This record gives sequence, structure tokens and C-alpha cells, in this order.
Amino acid sequence: DAGVIQSPRHEVTEMGQEVTLRCKPISGHDYLFWYRQTMMRGLELLIYFNNNVPIDDSGMPEDRFSAKMPNASFSTLKIQPSEPRDSAVYFCASRVRGPNSPLHFGNGTRLTVT
Amino acid sequence: ILNVEQSPQSLHVQEGDSTNFTCSFPSSNFYALHWYRWETAKSPEALFVMTLNGDEKKKGRISATLNTKEGYSYLYIKGSQPEDSATYLCASVEGQGFSFIFGKGTRLLVKP
Repeated sequence: DAGVIQSPRHEVTEMGQEVTLRCKPISGHDYLFWYRQTMMRGLELLIYFNNNVPIDDSGMPEDRFSAKMPNASFSTLKIQPSEPRDSAVYFCASRVRGPNSPLHFGNGTRLTVT
Repeated sequence: ILNVEQSPQSLHVQEGDSTNFTCSFPSSNFYALHWYRWETAKSPEALFVMTLNGDEKKKGRISATLNTKEGYSYLYIKGSQPEDSATYLCASVEGQGFSFIFGKGTRLLVKP
């Protein structure tokens, strides 16, 4: 299995531009999570999906952030308009149901907003 | 909202030293406790998942214990090696097992 695949690996954009981050979870995993990593806050949960349905989006910072999962093999996290404070590493992770099931992380997207 | 605390924040040890870190978590509504190893420029990888009070897990020189009643877990590394250098994250999972709350990690540097 190729693991969780995220794209792009790096994104540099100007303030005000739209940014779309992409994630392909491991096949058969029915939970998908989006996390943001910053020095100040560590790993923060933004949103998670179960069977493509958003379950908890209370971690999404504000209306500029949105996430979709149109099918079991693809999810996007969109920021519109982007701001410099959005600069961070964004991780996607997936897992199967069950108490002993760990998260499998992608390699992350490093976003820089200038 | 859970508050997961890890200590120390960072740790420098010599090759061959044994070391341990602490993860503290609220014990109410506990579901599971995860440990992850995160090397620089890579993504976090699962080390252990523990669910029962008194659980002890071991993988090579690394082991972990869990006390759900008092809300803490210890990670031990015996005879640290330079390749053990990484950030070690713990995550408390609450409720029905869908919400992972991560600590900020312990950054370990093992000097040769």
C-alpha cells in the first residue's frame, strides 16, 4: 500500500489567493482527518470524516477554511482567501474503525503564505 | 476539550543512556492512548496503541505503560541510540474513539 498521499508537498502563495490541499487516504480506511502543525499549537485537529461525511469540524479556524470528501479515496482542504497566519504544515491522516487502530499520516503539505 | 501534556519538552542524552517521558491526559471519557514517533522531515508513525489500565507494550528497546485512573502514560527507551532522535507524540482518544488530541511532544536528541 502506498500509504496516505498528500499533494502538493510544498505550496507558496500570496495573501488573498485560494489554496487547495489534497489527500488520498489508504484504501479501506473509513476515517479521514486533517491536522495543522504549528510551533505554537502543535498538531491541531481541523476536521474529520467518517465514510466521507464530515463529523466534527469544530477545529476549522474560520469560514475561510473548508473541507470536502466527495468519495472514499479523495479529500480536499481549501483556504480562501489565504492569510500569512495560515502558514503551517497540514497533515492528512486516515484509519480504520476500532480501539487499536492508529492514525496513518501523509507526508504533509508545507504551506507558506506571503 | 482535553488537555494533553507531555514532559519534558526536549531532552538531550548520550548514546547508551536510558530515558523516559511522560504523557498526562484527563482520565474521564478515556478511550485509548497512542504514542507516535516523528522524525524530522517525515510524518508521525504509530508506536503503540493502549486501551486498558495497566497496559504495557514493548517494541525492541522502547516500551510504554498506561495508567488510565490517574491519567498518565510513560514511554521508556533503553540504551538510547542516535537513530532514536525524534519527537515523540502522545495522543489521547476520547469518547467513541474518533477524536484524537495530541500533546506537543517530547523532542529527543541522542548524542553519539
